[in-house]
Amino acid sequence: QKEVEQNSGPLSVPEGAIASLNCTYSDRVSQSFFWYRQYSGKSPELIMSIYSNGDKEDGRFTAQLNKASQYVSLLIRDSQPSDSATYLCAVIFSGGSYIPTFGRGTSLIVHP
Amino acid sequence: EAQVTQNPRYLITVTGKKLTVTCSQNMNHEYMSWYRQDPGLGLRQIYYSMNVEVTDKGDVPEGYKVSRKEKRNFPLILESPSPNQTSLYFCASSSPRASGGRTDTQYFGPGTRLTVL
Repeated sequence: QKEVEQNSGPLSVPEGAIASLNCTYSDRVSQSFFWYRQYSGKSPELIMSIYSNGDKEDGRFTAQLNKASQYVSLLIRDSQPSDSATYLCAVIFSGGSYIPTFGRGTSLIVHP
Repeated sequence: EAQVTQNPRYLITVTGKKLTVTCSQNMNHEYMSWYRQDPGLGLRQIYYSMNVEVTDKGDVPEGYKVSRKEKRNFPLILESPSPNQTSLYFCASSSPRASGGRTDTQYFGPGTRLTVL
């Protein structure tokens, strides 16, 4: 069974702080990893994709991938109340369909 | 505008009354999929399609059917809905050769909130 695990939270951080969201996955040879943000009642929207080990930065967001540890994380710098949402980790597992498997999501609350 | 559309957006129905939720994308994507989302369970894959006439089961296919007769459309069919199919449903599409460097990105529809009484 190929699985994507996330802590459901909620993760609560003060405005301006760094929020750190973590995700582990079950298949060592997976190659495609994504972070989506979802506001309540809305559809998920892509924040970051990452395909190789290391860090990838886009504005206030940094995705970190460690394939040996089967671990992918998302850092949000200078967190804003508008970042309050559920963050979904998704993985495309090797050897299967090209459709991602999603984790259950981590709820992030940024308080003023 | 590139988009995935779903209809209806909201539906209340009764047990056993067949229904279809339509999904259409205008991006010429090969891959399409259906997810359901329930509190605490995240997004779970129902069915997916790699191309026209090619469909396969996801993690929770029981009680659902799909078809892919055209590349742009991927309807979800509930032949005999039951209350445990009350959920928020998302259709998504993607392509391994999407432009802009975002290969494999899932583009989601707005969601269909289904209630089965």
